[in-house]
Amino acid sequence: GDSVTQMEGPVTLSEEAFLTINCTYTATGYPSLFWYVQYPGEGLQLLLKATKADDKGSNKGFEATYRKETTSFHLEKGSVQVSDSAVYFCALYNTNAGKSTFGDGTTLTVKP
Amino acid sequence: GAGVSQSPSNKVTEKGKDVELRCDPISGHTALYWYRQSLGQGLEFLIYFQGNSAPDKSGLPSDRFSAERTGGSVSTLTIQRTQQEDSAVYLCASSLDRDYEQYFGPGTRLTVT
Repeated sequence: GDSVTQMEGPVTLSEEAFLTINCTYTATGYPSLFWYVQYPGEGLQLLLKATKADDKGSNKGFEATYRKETTSFHLEKGSVQVSDSAVYFCALYNTNAGKSTFGDGTTLTVKP
Repeated sequence: GAGVSQSPSNKVTEKGKDVELRCDPISGHTALYWYRQSLGQGLEFLIYFQGNSAPDKSGLPSDRFSAERTGGSVSTLTIQRTQQEDSAVYLCASSLDRDYEQYFGPGTRLTVT
């Protein structure tokens, strides 16, 4: 079946540091890929998405590129802020199966 | 506009009791999902409703779990004879259609004592 593997956390960075959270997947067909974010005390919300190979999703300074050849969708941000502290989930949506598969989440803490 | 709402926000129950968790999706969203998030774990898919089609129940962990969606809108997840391992946050999400991004509710934190 489908699976999503995320870089294990927790990740602790200083403000303005560069962030990478790795995500790789296995799936049949051509899934859509997503990053969701869960801020402390809040529900999950979509951060960005990409629906086909080589698409780049971006939002709030975060970016991720759909790499079919490496089955990856790594999340990056050039300069993190304290307010980016949250849990980040990589996910795929398999159109054929009609369901989503989520990674285990990566906790990011940004210190001033 | 209103987002996905869930009730109750917190539920504490004794082992062996039945519980019902409610989800109100965004109006007009045809797809509805239930997930379970255990402490320190990712999201575990439970069940998926799409329009009037038969639900995908492949993620339900046991026959103690069931869900229904009335009138294509509100959904109820029922857990019978609760066990301590059922303690988790139960999340509901809805989307415009099966291929669209999902909007999550705040979750129901279930604690089985």
